[in-house]
Amino acid sequence: GEDVEQSLFLSVREGDSSVINCTYTDSSSTYLYWYKQEPGAGLQLLTYIFSNMDMKQDQRLTVLLNKKDKHLSLRIADTQTGDSAIYFCAEKSNTGKLIFGQGTTLQVKP
Amino acid sequence: EPEVTQTPSHQVTQMGQEVILRCVPISNHLYFYWYRQILGQKVEFLVSFYNNEISEKSEIFDDQFSVERPDGSNFTLKIRSTKLEDSAMYFCASSDRRGGGTQYFGPGTRLLVL
Repeated sequence: GEDVEQSLFLSVREGDSSVINCTYTDSSSTYLYWYKQEPGAGLQLLTYIFSNMDMKQDQRLTVLLNKKDKHLSLRIADTQTGDSAIYFCAEKSNTGKLIFGQGTTLQVKP
Repeated sequence: EPEVTQTPSHQVTQMGQEVILRCVPISNHLYFYWYRQILGQKVEFLVSFYNNEISEKSEIFDDQFSVERPDGSNFTLKIRSTKLEDSAMYFCASSDRRGGGTQYFGPGTRLLVL
């Protein structure tokens, strides 16, 4: 069945790069997303990538997609304390629903 | 920038009571969704809605749940007889297209069933 997996926790120092990884199972997914959730808040869309792309860059964010391995990563350059949050990877099924990973908690230490 | 809004932000109810969670999707969007997140768990799909009909529903979305678009702006999720395990954060989302449309999420309603 459809499933998305992420590591649960990542801790980095301010100024370092963060890399959050995700694997998914549905090879027919056309879009993959990264959402950010701050404490007590909703899901904020960060970025997305279409499945025919390998990479997408948006300011400090770089998304890499390895379709063969069904692996998605989000790199945050120059990580700031304000980047501390839970990051969710999600794949879009062919029916339109999103299937989320369990979220990676990013802790940024000053 | 247009955004999805949800009310109330928090709701506490007694087991067995009915609750209605409200959402106002982005105005030109046509596809609407409800998801829920039980504390510490994944965000789970509940239901999608288009053209005044349910497009897809998950196993969670049983007969206790219903959705409605009562007017041109609101999209509601009703839980007829709440159970303790319905306690969760409920997110509404909307998109302008099913396939290629990005889903934009509201801030959520935190439901606590006692």
